[in-house]
Amino acid sequence: EPEVTQTPSHQVTQMGQEVILRCVPISNHLYFYWYRQILGQKVEFLVSFYNNEISEKSEIFDDQFSVERPDGSNFTLKIRSTKLEDSAMYFCASRETRGRNYGYTFGSGTRLTVV
Amino acid sequence: TQLLEQSPQFLSIQEGENLTVYCNSSSVFSSLQWYRQEPGEGPVLLVTVVTGGEVKKLKRLTFQFGDARKDSSLHITAAQPGDTGLYLCAGLYYGGSQGNLIFGKGTKLSVKP
Repeated sequence: EPEVTQTPSHQVTQMGQEVILRCVPISNHLYFYWYRQILGQKVEFLVSFYNNEISEKSEIFDDQFSVERPDGSNFTLKIRSTKLEDSAMYFCASRETRGRNYGYTFGSGTRLTVV
Repeated sequence: TQLLEQSPQFLSIQEGENLTVYCNSSSVFSSLQWYRQEPGEGPVLLVTVVTGGEVKKLKRLTFQFGDARKDSSLHITAAQPGDTGLYLCAGLYYGGSQGNLIFGKGTKLSVKP
C-alpha cells in the first residue's frame, strides 16, 4: 500500500535553530498538508499546499514557518528559529483529490523536541 | 470556529463488550472521517462518511453520520484487545479552497482480555 514517508523520525534541536522536516507524499497525490500534535493535545492543521503554492494556513503557521516542494517528490516544512513551544509531532499528509469522499494519508510523523 | 467534541475521552472495557464513541459539533461538515492512531504513529484512515444519515460498516465497526451532518458515531461490536487504540474523528470543511480537517481530541480505548 502506498505510504507517506517522513524523515527524520525524531529531531532534537536547540532553541533558535532552524529545522527542516521532510516528507515524500504518495506519488499521484496532488494536495499536501502539514499538521502538528502537541503531546496530549489534538491534531492541528498548519498549512495546505497545491500546485506549488500555499492554499491555506492556520494562525499557528506564522512567519517562522515555510513550506516548499523543491522537486517532484519532496515536501518540506522549515521552522526558521525554533521555540520551546514548537516541540510536537509533525505529520505530513497527502490526498489524491480535494473531493469530500477522499481521506488523507498521513505519514508516521517527526517528533521535534526543542531544548 | 469549527469544533468537534468527542466522548468519552477514555473507555476501558472487557473483551466481548459493545461500545459507542460519539463525535459532535454545532458546525456542518462536508464529510466526517474516522482515524485510528497508535502511539508514536500518524492517524490511519478507517472510513469517510459523506451523506447525512449514511451508515458504513467495517467488520465489527459501524460508523454513522448524523442527518444534519453535524455529528457521527462509531459503534464497535464484541470488542477485541486488538481494537485498543486512539480513535479520532475529523470533520472536513472547505473554509479554504481544498478542504482541511478539524480533529476531535480522540477516544482512548482499552479492551482487556
